[in-house]
Amino acid sequence: GAGVSQTPSNKVTEKGKYVELRCDPISGHTALYWYRQSLGQGPEFLIYFQGTGAADDSGLPNDRFFAVRPEGSVSTLKIQRTERGDSAVYLCASSLGYHEQFFGPGTRLTVL
Amino acid sequence: KQEVTQIPAALSVPEGENLVLNCSFTDSAIYNLQWFRQDPGKGLTSLLLIQSSQREQTSGRLNASLDKSSGRSTLYIAASQPGDSATYLCAVVNYGGSQGNLIFGKGTKLSVKP
Repeated sequence: GAGVSQTPSNKVTEKGKYVELRCDPISGHTALYWYRQSLGQGPEFLIYFQGTGAADDSGLPNDRFFAVRPEGSVSTLKIQRTERGDSAVYLCASSLGYHEQFFGPGTRLTVL
Repeated sequence: KQEVTQIPAALSVPEGENLVLNCSFTDSAIYNLQWFRQDPGKGLTSLLLIQSSQREQTSGRLNASLDKSSGRSTLYIAASQPGDSATYLCAVVNYGGSQGNLIFGKGTKLSVKP
């Protein structure tokens, strides 16, 4: 595909459940970022991958959040024991190193 | 800690007007600055990227300037159109470190009235 894609576009779950959010970056982009955007706020950094490894996970709010990128392309953000406060739009972006970042359409997560 | 502020939070203008959106950042040691547009319920569309060594970038009716020493950037939109209505976000990448994550402002919500 030409751009960054994210699935699902919307996810509704119940408090305490486990969810997985997927990101397909632009082909060839080595850097991949996850951000979280709450209503009326700018996106906030969660985790950064350079290749397969998590180069910086300092933005993850707690140990319920985890992300992987096993083959250096697709990434999955995993949230365990979801809480209502996890409700937000989760955005993925990719780039060639420290260059222009291109964003996907986001996954809107609602925790009931 | 880098903080990005955007003023105003919301702006309403009549069609055809030229306008300026403001962005300020507290730490001038940045690698680059990027302006984005976000339509309701959508992801972010990159508009302009300015490297720290550059003073401005232009794309069509858009012009972004950067004054790193004073910690300011402006986005100038010429001859505004109703289709320009969206939220505009400014973000910086800090210089140094192992990551290149963007630090965002809260955005300016622009409404262009026909």
